[in-house]
Amino acid sequence: SQTIHQWPATLVQPVGSPLSLECTVEGTSNPNLYWYRQAAGRGLQLLFYSVGIGQISSEVPQNLSASRPQDRQFILSSKKLLLSDSGFYLCAWSWGGANTGELFFGEGSRLTVL
Amino acid sequence: GENVEQHPSTLSVQEGDSAVIKCTYSDSASNYFPWYKQELGKRPQLIIDIRSNVGEKKDQRIAVTLNKTAKHFSLHITETQPEDSAVYFCAVGYSTLTFGKGTMLLVSP
Repeated sequence: SQTIHQWPATLVQPVGSPLSLECTVEGTSNPNLYWYRQAAGRGLQLLFYSVGIGQISSEVPQNLSASRPQDRQFILSSKKLLLSDSGFYLCAWSWGGANTGELFFGEGSRLTVL
Repeated sequence: GENVEQHPSTLSVQEGDSAVIKCTYSDSASNYFPWYKQELGKRPQLIIDIRSNVGEKKDQRIAVTLNKTAKHFSLHITETQPEDSAVYFCAVGYSTLTFGKGTMLLVSP
């Protein structure tokens, strides 16, 4: 069966510090991978998605970046965090292919920027 | 890009009543319409989905109806129970999913 792991679960960071959130998927090959952010009252906002190693599509221009160094690894980064980066970050995967299907979410990372 | 509107933002019902949540979308190319349930502090999980070639789908107490012409779809929950209390999100997509802002459903015993 497939599983998705995301870490860290919680972190508190000062403004201007770097960020690295990591996500790995097990039990499948060549998944589509996604990073979503959930802010209170605003639903889930797609930040980045990837259909393969090194292929990253950005949906929202901001000071975040994503990388996919391996087939089942997806990393969300920032060089300098802003207060507005606070939120609940969710990694997700779906079966590969052009048409989207069910998203399987990780347990999320709650980021507080002070 | 796709624009998804979800209503209501909050819905309070008595146990045993029905609940209906509605979503509208803008991109006629979208062909996948899932609904997710998110309990407090947990990850969203799929509860039901529908493709554009189907008008209605039912799974026990939950059902989804789709009107592609009008670009709207709805989630119906019958015989609600306290454990149905959660935030429900609709989503729309073709290659990626765009989510609505969510509906907080409160079911009182």
